[in-house]
Amino acid sequence: AQSVSQHNHHVILSEAASLELGCNYSYGGTVNLFWYVQYPGQHLQLLLKYFSGDPLVKGIKGFEAEFIKSKFSFNLRKPSVQWSDTAEYFCAVNALGGSARQLTFGSGTQLTVLP
Amino acid sequence: DSGVTQTPKHLITATGQRVTLRCSPRSGDLSVYWYQQSLDQGLQFLIQYYNGEERAKGNILERFSAQQFPDLHSELNLSSLELGDSALYFCASSVGLAGPEQYFGPGTRLTVT
Repeated sequence: AQSVSQHNHHVILSEAASLELGCNYSYGGTVNLFWYVQYPGQHLQLLLKYFSGDPLVKGIKGFEAEFIKSKFSFNLRKPSVQWSDTAEYFCAVNALGGSARQLTFGSGTQLTVLP
Repeated sequence: DSGVTQTPKHLITATGQRVTLRCSPRSGDLSVYWYQQSLDQGLQFLIQYYNGEERAKGNILERFSAQQFPDLHSELNLSSLELGDSALYFCASSVGLAGPEQYFGPGTRLTVT
């Protein structure tokens, strides 16, 4: 079964600082990878996704992520965060093949951006 | 707005009771997924239905059951509720059997007292 690890539970940054949130997954086969964001009191929103092709994917709101297959990683980045980026960020994996259909989520990283 | 709707938004009930949560997927989506989000367990997959049939099961308790109706809306039934069932229950939908993208609803916050 696949699993997802997010190394940082809580990250605190000042506005304009650069962001990198780590995500590692364990699964030997082909995967689809996702980052979701959950703003306070709201539902999960898809930030970006990787299915195949260019390992550097761009999402909404200036976020990007890089898939490094050899490291089983899919780290989320943003060059300059804003106060409105304060939210919880979840990395998720959908393993292809077999009977697995569901998303497996990491434990989430709470990002607090100070004005 | 993802296009996935869930009702009710909040539910407060007592231990031992039974509740039903409802989800309507995005127009055109055939798959519905149920997830539970709690502080101690994080986001966990419960069950998936595709075009009316159960297709995948995760960490769903025997006290919980779900179904998907011909109009593709889904219901999650939780019975013999315990304090530990208090959580946010999300529904997600996707076009196909294996996603690829899942769109989440606003969730139902269940509080068991």
